[in-house]
Amino acid sequence: KNEVEQSPQNLTAQEGEFITINCSYSVGISALHWLQQHPGGGIVSLFMLSSGKKKHGRLIATINIQEKHSSLHITASHPRDSAVYICAVRTLPQGGSEKLVFGKGTKLTVNP
Amino acid sequence: DTGVSQDPRHKITKRGQNVTFRCDPISEHNRLYWYRQTLGQGPEFLTYFQNEAQLEKSRLLSDRFSAERPKGSFSTLEIQRTEQGDSAMYLCASSFRGFQETQYFGPGTRLLVL
Repeated sequence: KNEVEQSPQNLTAQEGEFITINCSYSVGISALHWLQQHPGGGIVSLFMLSSGKKKHGRLIATINIQEKHSSLHITASHPRDSAVYICAVRTLPQGGSEKLVFGKGTKLTVNP
Repeated sequence: DTGVSQDPRHKITKRGQNVTFRCDPISEHNRLYWYRQTLGQGPEFLTYFQNEAQLEKSRLLSDRFSAERPKGSFSTLEIQRTEQGDSAMYLCASSFRGFQETQYFGPGTRLLVL
């Protein structure tokens, strides 16, 4: 079982819809990242969370540390939001090591 | 453009050949990371540097892989005797200070081993 699980794997929405992407993890973490990857490979960091909620424009990210769960919401979705959204967790240091563990990503397609 | 560049963007090679990729991080960033991403999967950690020191290598990094960051600026990732299973996107990222900081990703180098 992967340490980071995302759902759904694929999501198709109509322009204007409210989008939710979920991330669950099974390891102790010090932070969680939401990343956006466009076709061609470029990855952009959207949020880094260790507690609570963050908002940037139409994007909202929440995390519940006790439940080991995070959600990424997109309000008023637009075709330009079409991308793969990746959840990554920074594991707690073990033997001095911290690393990012990534989910497989959620492919979002927003149709006009 | 995040400020992190990678070269080449695409590489096609024959099995058994050696390949080398380069990453130029954001200049003031002291940490540099290499990841590998195969189709339909999230990135997987390969290795990272703090300045010129290689601090951790993943078990994924077999003896055929070597990475360097000689002056604490750009980094190279070399794969010797490439295998078809090495075909993937190789991503580089950099950050300032450590994992607490946002990582800025390069565009990646897509490798195809025939």
